[in-house]
Amino acid sequence: NAGVTQTPKFQVLKTGQSMTLQCAQDMNHNSMYWYRQDPGMGLRLIYYSASEGTTDKGEVPNGYNVSRLNKREFSLRLESAAPSQTSVYFCASSEVQGSTEAFFGQGTRLTVV
Amino acid sequence: GQQLNQSPQSMFIQEGEDVSMNCTSSSIFNTWLWYKQDPGEGPVLLIALYKAGELTSNGRLTAQFGITRKDSFLNISASIPSDVGIYFCAGITGGGNKLTFGTGTQLKVEL
Repeated sequence: NAGVTQTPKFQVLKTGQSMTLQCAQDMNHNSMYWYRQDPGMGLRLIYYSASEGTTDKGEVPNGYNVSRLNKREFSLRLESAAPSQTSVYFCASSEVQGSTEAFFGQGTRLTVV
Repeated sequence: GQQLNQSPQSMFIQEGEDVSMNCTSSSIFNTWLWYKQDPGEGPVLLIALYKAGELTSNGRLTAQFGITRKDSFLNISASIPSDVGIYFCAGITGGGNKLTFGTGTQLKVEL
């Protein structure tokens, strides 16, 4: 039972490069989320998708785009990476939007140099 | 946006000691959650609280939903080495559309 799977686990980018972080869940959850985690700041919501076909901005959406490809997959794209986007990125899913049991992936550690 | 402040930011305790941490907000939340994050992993839900004044336990962990609905508390009794990690509070507002996370409390346990 994989739960929430994120790829890659680690990535180093040069400033200005683009990349897509992939996330897939096998729990048939409706809602999916992308968070970033920075030291001393907890987890901040970047974008979320309440259900297949919908996406909404979270607290810190600038510099990111998302795609809810289907019910299972929710990707996060950095079009032109900046050093300020160095962070650990977590994908999560829940049964319905705001459901208490949000399941998290293992994270992607991204460094932008 | 909404902010959840956790204290202490970090704590170093002896094995067997009890631990207390809290989370405060300037906004009201309808649900309070406590998560634990182990090194290199994503957060895992420990306890969920749904009602002001509610006190809920999960093994050695006990959490309370503050009466004002602007705070929550987590206690860990008789700490053990595997309690090491970062503890996050999180709140859900009445709209119920997203979790707002606290800044985290890092717990380190001395043997």
